[in-house]
Parts: sequence; C-alpha cells; structure tokens
Amino acid sequence: GAVVSQHPSRVICKSGTSVKIECRSLDFQATTMFWYRQFPKQSLMLMATSNEGSKATYEQGVEKDKFLINHASLTLSTLTVTSAHPEDSSFYICSARAETWLGEQYFGPGTRLTVT
Amino acid sequence: GENVEQHPSTLSVQEGDSAVIKCTYSDSASNYFPWYKQELGKRPQLIIDIRSNVGEKKDQRIAVTLNKTAKHFSLHITETQPEDSAVYFCAALRDGGGTSYGKLTFGQGTILTVHP
Repeated sequence: GAVVSQHPSRVICKSGTSVKIECRSLDFQATTMFWYRQFPKQSLMLMATSNEGSKATYEQGVEKDKFLINHASLTLSTLTVTSAHPEDSSFYICSARAETWLGEQYFGPGTRLTVT
Repeated sequence: GENVEQHPSTLSVQEGDSAVIKCTYSDSASNYFPWYKQELGKRPQLIIDIRSNVGEKKDQRIAVTLNKTAKHFSLHITETQPEDSAVYFCAALRDGGGTSYGKLTFGQGTILTVHP
C-alpha cells in the first residue's frame, strides 16, 4: 500500500497556543487529503476534506477558524489547531488518496494532541 | 448523507474460531466498502475492500461479502489468531462525483478479542 506520514506523532501544548500537524504522502501524489479526529474507543470522525490548491471543505460542526487546513502541494497538507483548549485533546489522523484511485485511502500514523 | 451501522460492538472468540462482523449502510449509491483494522494508538490499516460490482472477495483468512439489495456487508475472519485482536471498522463510500465523493463513512467499530 501507499505510505502516508504524519508529524509530530505526539505533542503537548499549553492552552491558548497553536499547534501544526503535517501530513505527507511519501510515494504518491495526494490530490485529496482528509483529516479525522478520533476520541478514545470511538470511531473516526471526518473533520474536513482538502483538495490540492483549493480551500478545505469542513464537515458540519467543525470550526474552520479553529482548525486551519492547508493543502498547498500534492504531497503535503497541514492542520493547525489554533488557540487550543483541553477539549481539543484528541487523536488526529490524516488520510490521502490519489486522483486515479477508486475509493482507496491510506492513513497516516496519527498525532496524539494533549492540551494542558 | 450515508449512515453505517456496525455490529457487534465487541466480539470475543477462542483462537481458531471464526469471527463475523456485520455492517449495514443507508445510501444505495455507495459503491466501495473497505474494512480497516486498528490497533491501539495506531493508524487504521486497510485489510480488505469490496466494490459494488462483486458479491464476495477473499484474501487468505479474510473474506468480505456484500448484499447490495439488503445494503449490508460482512467481514469474515477464519482460523482466528491472537494477533487478530484489534478494533475493526467498516466503511462505505460513494465514489464518482457529488458532494459525498471520496468521503468514507465509518461504522462504530468492533473490538475483537481472540483468546489463546
């Protein structure tokens, strides 16, 4: 399968600060990347979909000004959690797909964010 | 939008037994159905998928069946091993255009425990 990396794997930040998470496709061009959030013992919740060179499409209930997504190249998308609060603590996972793929998505290893 | 229901939420089997996890979906236009295995703190890994033009697919000890009429699909694991213990997620996707293009809708997950 294709390889997606995510950095950092774990981050602890203070309340009120911003955190940036990077998602990279290592061996393919990712025309679309997805950002998910996962709480303990729960399923993956899609936050937003980003297409290279376009503005991200956010799911209902996700604050676009709080979760800034940039997909400036075919191999990199970033998620910035602005003015983080303890309730933003979660496992954030990205996935990526290439334009010609029919449905397949490959996931990054996830980022564990803890806001203190 | 799409809604995916997954059962059971937990499944406990003895090593060597078979395990079956079932999912139903609501959108008859969904045409791609992947299954992911997620170990604690790690990324979801695609283990098998099926498209709407086939009814069954098998890969060694893992098989997936799809009933489009009833809008349900199932994961079958035979000869289970302790290393099969993980959380399994089903998902559904409508590929080919529209606002739901490329977006996976996940089931709630099944915690599979295989006892030695």
